[in-house]
Amino acid sequence: GNSVTQMEGPVTLSEEAFLTINCTYTATGYPSLFWYVQYPGEGLQLLLKATKADDKGSNKGFEATYRKETTSFHLEKGSVQVSDSAVYFCALSERWGGSYIPTFGRGTSLIVHP
Amino acid sequence: SQTIHQWPATLVQPVGSPLSLECTVEGTSNPNLYWYRQAAGRGLQLLFYSVGIGQISSEVPQNLSASRPQDRQFILSSKKLLLSDSGFYLCAWSVRHKNIQYFGAGTRLSVL
Repeated sequence: GNSVTQMEGPVTLSEEAFLTINCTYTATGYPSLFWYVQYPGEGLQLLLKATKADDKGSNKGFEATYRKETTSFHLEKGSVQVSDSAVYFCALSERWGGSYIPTFGRGTSLIVHP
Repeated sequence: SQTIHQWPATLVQPVGSPLSLECTVEGTSNPNLYWYRQAAGRGLQLLFYSVGIGQISSEVPQNLSASRPQDRQFILSSKKLLLSDSGFYLCAWSVRHKNIQYFGAGTRLSVL
């Protein structure tokens, strides 16, 4: 079956540091890949996505590139802010019948200090 | 625009009591609906999903059940709660045949 593996957290950084959160996946077909973000006490919201190999998703300074050869979708940001502190979930979604069934990673907590 | 409502936000229940969590979506028709549980340190686990009224698929065997009595209403229930049912429950929806999910704010359930 499908699976998503994320690096364990928490990741603790100082403001303006470079961020990388690793994500690798296993899938039977050609999934779409996502990063979702969860701020404290809230639900998840879509951060960015990529639908095919070599696509780059980007939003709010975050980027991730769909690497089929390494089955990876690492999240990066050049300069983090305190407001980026949250839990980040890598996910894939494949079509089964008429529906898309998602698979989420365990989440990586990011803590950014001033 | 579409919105998703989930309630209550917080719930404390004794072991053995029943449970009913409700989720409704506005501004769209025929959505796919999902229930997830987020337990501490265990990520996001898909519990149930539904592609239409009365159509429920269960991803994992458990003490919970789900129902979809109306197109935009999704209910998570239990007849007798266990301690292990504690967690953060999230409802989500997606447009039929689309792969982006939109999440509610979640319900924090504590079973004591």
